[in-house]
Amino acid sequence: ETGVTQSPTHLIKTRGQQVTLRCSSQSGHNTVSWYQQALGQGPQFIFQYYREEENGRGNFPPRFSGLQFPNYSSELNVNALELDDSALYLCASSLTVGVRETQYFGPGTRLLVL
Amino acid sequence: DQQVKQNSPSLSVQEGRISILNCDYTNSMFDYFLWYKKYPAEGPTFLISISSIKDKNEDGRFTVFLNKSAKHLSLHIVPSQPGDSAVYFCAASATRGAGNMLTFGGGTRLMVKP
Repeated sequence: ETGVTQSPTHLIKTRGQQVTLRCSSQSGHNTVSWYQQALGQGPQFIFQYYREEENGRGNFPPRFSGLQFPNYSSELNVNALELDDSALYLCASSLTVGVRETQYFGPGTRLLVL
Repeated sequence: DQQVKQNSPSLSVQEGRISILNCDYTNSMFDYFLWYKKYPAEGPTFLISISSIKDKNEDGRFTVFLNKSAKHLSLHIVPSQPGDSAVYFCAASATRGAGNMLTFGGGTRLMVKP
């Protein structure tokens, strides 16, 4: 069974640029969630995709957008990068078969905005 | 408004003793709770979960207790081992059909001394 993978592992961008982060779900999982973890804090929910549709969104502006593909892999896109976007971005996958699901996380992508 | 709080940023225990990590929540709609462990440069690793219909769940050295009336949960690790040294996050979700966002606490850094 393949776990959740993310690419790239590290990224440096400048303010105003755009970035795309990628995630491959754990084998057999149909739901993917994205989280932002700032230094010294817990992860914060950005949004979730289920069967290629957005299934919930946290308190993040529209310049954070996402996609889920038919193979359940996913992208997180951030436009007009700001310095505060510097964080660890985590992808988590889960299998939605009931009302309580466990999310399994990838290693994250560390983004630095200069 | 932090809906999930871990009031102890750090905890130090001796190898072989019990580690108790605490978590409080405010949202009475939360009905599923999880603990994750995080090492530096890795994503959170799922440890153990508990649904609101239970007050205790055990898995090897890890036990989670849930006190719904107090909106409090705790993770017990017995016996603690140096490899348990990591940041521990509690997370909560509220069932809303397909897919659930996780709300995380700020984490507790556990140090187990040999």
